[in-house]
Amino acid sequence: GDSVTQMEGPVTLSEEAFLTINCTYTATGYPSLFWYVQYPGEGLQLLLKATKADDKGSNKGFEATYRKETTSFHLEKGSVQVSDSAVYFCALSDSGEGRGNKLVFGAGTILRVKS
Amino acid sequence: NAGVTQTPKFQVLKTGQSMTLQCAQDMNHEYMSWYRQDPGMGLRLIHYSVGAGITDQGEVPNGYNVSRSTTEDFPLRLLSAAPSQTSVYFCASSRPQSSYEQYFGPGTRLTVT
Repeated sequence: GDSVTQMEGPVTLSEEAFLTINCTYTATGYPSLFWYVQYPGEGLQLLLKATKADDKGSNKGFEATYRKETTSFHLEKGSVQVSDSAVYFCALSDSGEGRGNKLVFGAGTILRVKS
Repeated sequence: NAGVTQTPKFQVLKTGQSMTLQCAQDMNHEYMSWYRQDPGMGLRLIHYSVGAGITDQGEVPNGYNVSRSTTEDFPLRLLSAAPSQTSVYFCASSRPQSSYEQYFGPGTRLTVT
């Protein structure tokens, strides 16, 4: 079945450091890929998405590019802030009919940013 | 709009007890889902619904029941709680046109002793 693998955390960075969180996937079809973020004590929020190969999703300074050849969707940010401290989940959605609302999540990566 | 609301926020149950986790949304979303979140395992889909009267099983449905009598509400029932059901439970909703963009509730932290 479909699966998502993320780098283990926690990732601890100083403010203004460069962030990369690795994500790779396995899927039988042509999935859409997402990054969700969970701030402390809250539910998940969609951060960015990419629906086809070579698409780049971006939001709030975060970027991720859908790489079909390496089955990857790594999350990057050039300069992190303390307010970016959260848990980040990579996810995929199989584009098959009737499955649109099923998301497969990675295990999540905790990011801690120190001032 | 309140978005997706869940009650209760915290609950402690004894093994064998039953309870219902409530979920409601006021965005008129057709799709609703229940997930459980466990350390190191991300979120796993328990049950989902594509509309009132229609439900289906997700990845980990055993021990849970759902029904969807209205568009707004999607309760999750634990018939006989077990310690393995200790987890954080999230309800989510979405529109069919962009079903991948799910709106999550704040979660219910359940402990079964």
